[in-house]
Amino acid sequence: DAKTTQPPSMDCAEGRAANLPCNHSTISGNEYVYWYRQIHSQGPQYIIHGLKNNETNEMASLIITEDRKSSTLILPHATLRDTAVYYCIVRGHGSSNTGKLIFGQGTTLQVKP
Amino acid sequence: DAGVTQSPTHLIKTRGQQVTLRCSPKSGHDTVSWYQQALGQGPQFIFQYYEEEERQRGNFPDRFSGHQFPNYSSELNVNALLLGDSALYLCASSLDPGLTYEQYFGPGTRLTVT
Repeated sequence: DAKTTQPPSMDCAEGRAANLPCNHSTISGNEYVYWYRQIHSQGPQYIIHGLKNNETNEMASLIITEDRKSSTLILPHATLRDTAVYYCIVRGHGSSNTGKLIFGQGTTLQVKP
Repeated sequence: DAGVTQSPTHLIKTRGQQVTLRCSPKSGHDTVSWYQQALGQGPQFIFQYYEEEERQRGNFPDRFSGHQFPNYSSELNVNALLLGDSALYLCASSLDPGLTYEQYFGPGTRLTVT
């Protein structure tokens, strides 16, 4: 699975959009980009995933560059409850993949009032 | 619908002892993965169980072993505990994750080895 690089920390004002970047320059053609977050003292929570098209769900939007070497997770209106560690993960799909998640250090997002 | 549950919540053990942690997957899920998360680090994959067999294993010694029962629940066993085994142990469940997307994590068991 490809390695990802994220900034260690970011701040965001409450109510503003939070844009979390991730580099995955060695991603292969059949690998997806996943985002999870971990709120203090809880287990990680799935947010969103994508292959090459932009994706949006009720939690966030995922923007993947055309060359797929980087992506951005967007929380459109950050709240204090969005303060967490955000992990960008690359993994393959298909019957030969077990779904093992390789977590890096993630980005600690601090949403401030 | 209950999500992933883990027990116990917290545990304190002494070096050299053995410990068993338990996980019940989300209803309908048949695959269980275990992760170890040291303080300040991201979770590290230990192993995954599917159809009562270990399907994949991370870079952990044989002191770490597991089991999956016919009802899909799972246990993680750690023998000869070391101080470095102190961590949050997370269980994640899914339907055969090679074919599906989301993995659901439990709240974890905090193990402290003294």
